[in-house]
Amino acid sequence: EPEVTQTPSHQVTQMGQEVILRCVPISNHLYFYWYRQILGQKVEFLVSFYNNEISEKSEIFDDQFSVERPDGSNFTLKIRSTKLEDSAMYFCASRTDRGLQETQYFGPGTRLLVL
Amino acid sequence: AQSVTQLGSHVSVSEGALVLLRCNYSSSVPPYLFWYVQYPNQGLQLLLKYTSAATLVKGINGFEAEFKKSETSFHLTKPSAHMSDAAEYFCAVSDRAGNMLTFGGGTRLMVKP
Repeated sequence: EPEVTQTPSHQVTQMGQEVILRCVPISNHLYFYWYRQILGQKVEFLVSFYNNEISEKSEIFDDQFSVERPDGSNFTLKIRSTKLEDSAMYFCASRTDRGLQETQYFGPGTRLLVL
Repeated sequence: AQSVTQLGSHVSVSEGALVLLRCNYSSSVPPYLFWYVQYPNQGLQLLLKYTSAATLVKGINGFEAEFKKSETSFHLTKPSAHMSDAAEYFCAVSDRAGNMLTFGGGTRLMVKP
């Protein structure tokens, strides 16, 4: 069964460093998402991406964050200058474009630790 | 704006007992509702979803949920808990105006032998 994959599974970085989290969505999906889950807190929406542009973003997704689909398979989340509070599990998700009732399929996550 | 409340951050049941995980939502438009499960060190897996067809929805692993508009609820049930059901369960809502899922705080289900 097709699945969303994410790399790396764990990333440790120093405050102020740039990180890029990578995702490979399911191949026929056209909507892509990033969510994050700070330890012990809710899963929070960051951004959605469709047709090579951001379709919606949350207040969390400030100028330090960017997303890109550099080729036909990868979808990346870049954090330009990491802060301690960026430590979280980051989930990528994807779905078809057949409507909002369609399931978002989640990857296994990247655990980011900022020191 | 939409929101989801899951009553009980931790629920403990005995193996073989009924599982009931509560979810209440608020949405300005008719919602789509989802239950996801997260096993330790894994991602979110869809259990079931309500998309305005039948109000009683059956999912994987014997779980089901009933959409009750009058109560703005979408509680998850399973008649008989199994040890392998121990996990964290998330209720989420997607209204027809937005494009993202809004999650509840999650309920950690513990199953005692």
